[in-house]
Amino acid sequence: NAGVMQNPRHLVRRRGQEARLRCSPMKGHSHVYWYRQLPEEGLKFMVYLQKENIIDESGMPKERFSAEFPKEGPSILRIQQVVRGDSAAYFCASSPIPTGGYGYTFGSGTRLTVV
Amino acid sequence: EDKVVQSPLSLVVHEGDTVTLNCSYEVTNFRSLLWYKQEKKAPTFLFMLTSSGIEKKSGRLSSILDKKELSSILNITATQTGDSAIYLCAAIFDRGSTLGRLYFGRGTQLTVWP
Repeated sequence: NAGVMQNPRHLVRRRGQEARLRCSPMKGHSHVYWYRQLPEEGLKFMVYLQKENIIDESGMPKERFSAEFPKEGPSILRIQQVVRGDSAAYFCASSPIPTGGYGYTFGSGTRLTVV
Repeated sequence: EDKVVQSPLSLVVHEGDTVTLNCSYEVTNFRSLLWYKQEKKAPTFLFMLTSSGIEKKSGRLSSILDKKELSSILNITATQTGDSAIYLCAAIFDRGSTLGRLYFGRGTQLTVWP
């Protein structure tokens, strides 16, 4: 049973381009969480999704960022018109039920570098 | 403001030393506290603590929650170079739709020298 798969592992984008980060949850997990880790900071919650629904997006910047978790396929975190401040590690976690923490499995992250 | 605060931010010890990492949290609607170990990849789960005063152990690692002091400690005895990592503390709060969200501290960077 593969763990949470994130790709790409590393992504380099020029300012103004779009970044698409993918997360395939563990089999049987229907709850997906995205976190961002800025340099020298802890992980910050961004968004919580279930299949086809955004449950809590209160951690998402209001502009340029969006997330989806379609019925089929991975969850996508999309960042439009990237800026240098978007450079960070983006982690996805999945769980089978919305209890958080104990049931979480984290992916290895996507490291986004904006040049 | 930060709901979870860790200290120290970094720690350097020699193999064989014992270390204690600290985590304090905000009290409002607190439910549980978790510890993770992060090497250069995914954070891996260590402990989840909900009840005060009950120690959880896994090999050389142990952790305990003190609800009176709003804090937790993570102890690592007889440290090894493989313990070098960032140790993350996170809290879950009971707030309806935010159930499931983790609030992380900034982490403690532990370096163990041979």
